[in-house]
Amino acid sequence: KQEVTQIPAALSVPEGENLVLNCSFTDSAIYNLQWFRQDPGKGLTSLLLIQSSQREQTSGRLNASLDKSSGRSTLYIAASQPGDSATYLCAVRIGYGGATNKLIFGTGTLLAVQP
Amino acid sequence: EAGVAQSPRYKIIEKRQSVAFWCNPISGHATLYWYQQILGQGPKLLIQFQNNGVVDDSQLPKDRFSAERLKGVDSTLKIQPAKLEDSAVYLCASSPTSGRSGYNEQFFGPGTRLTVL
Repeated sequence: KQEVTQIPAALSVPEGENLVLNCSFTDSAIYNLQWFRQDPGKGLTSLLLIQSSQREQTSGRLNASLDKSSGRSTLYIAASQPGDSATYLCAVRIGYGGATNKLIFGTGTLLAVQP
Repeated sequence: EAGVAQSPRYKIIEKRQSVAFWCNPISGHATLYWYQQILGQGPKLLIQFQNNGVVDDSQLPKDRFSAERLKGVDSTLKIQPAKLEDSAVYLCASSPTSGRSGYNEQFFGPGTRLTVL
């Protein structure tokens, strides 16, 4: 059974710091991994999606890496800003199409960037 | 394009009452998902529809939860009767049918926050 864990559960940093969020999964048989952002009272916003054949993806100040064999992914946020404060969730997709197009989510990391 | 719409945004009920949530997916999206997100946890898939057929409801508590997607568009999720542990955010998501193997991105609605007293 696939299990996804995120460390740390909560993180508080001063503005301008670079930071790393960690995600680990128990079964390496994934099709892709996705990082989401969730703001209070809102749904999930997709940040980055890494296919199983890829090692990393970048979007602006965000960089996500994937080491499928070790079951790990990291989300790197450069030069953090107060607007980055949110809960960050990682999710692995098992299978594709039909009933196996499932996302298994981690428990999230609550990030607070202090001005 | 318009996103996934959900209503109501908030609902407070007493235990043993019934409640229903509504979801309107992105136009043309064949697949619709309902997730339950308990405070402090990640979302958990309850049920997945492909058009108007159920393809995965393995984690749906069928003694009290039901869902339907008539005509393959809108969907409703119902809880009857509600328990205290049903307090959560219920998220709806939809995805297109994609020819790209392994890539069916899901787009999420804002969710309905349910409080059971």
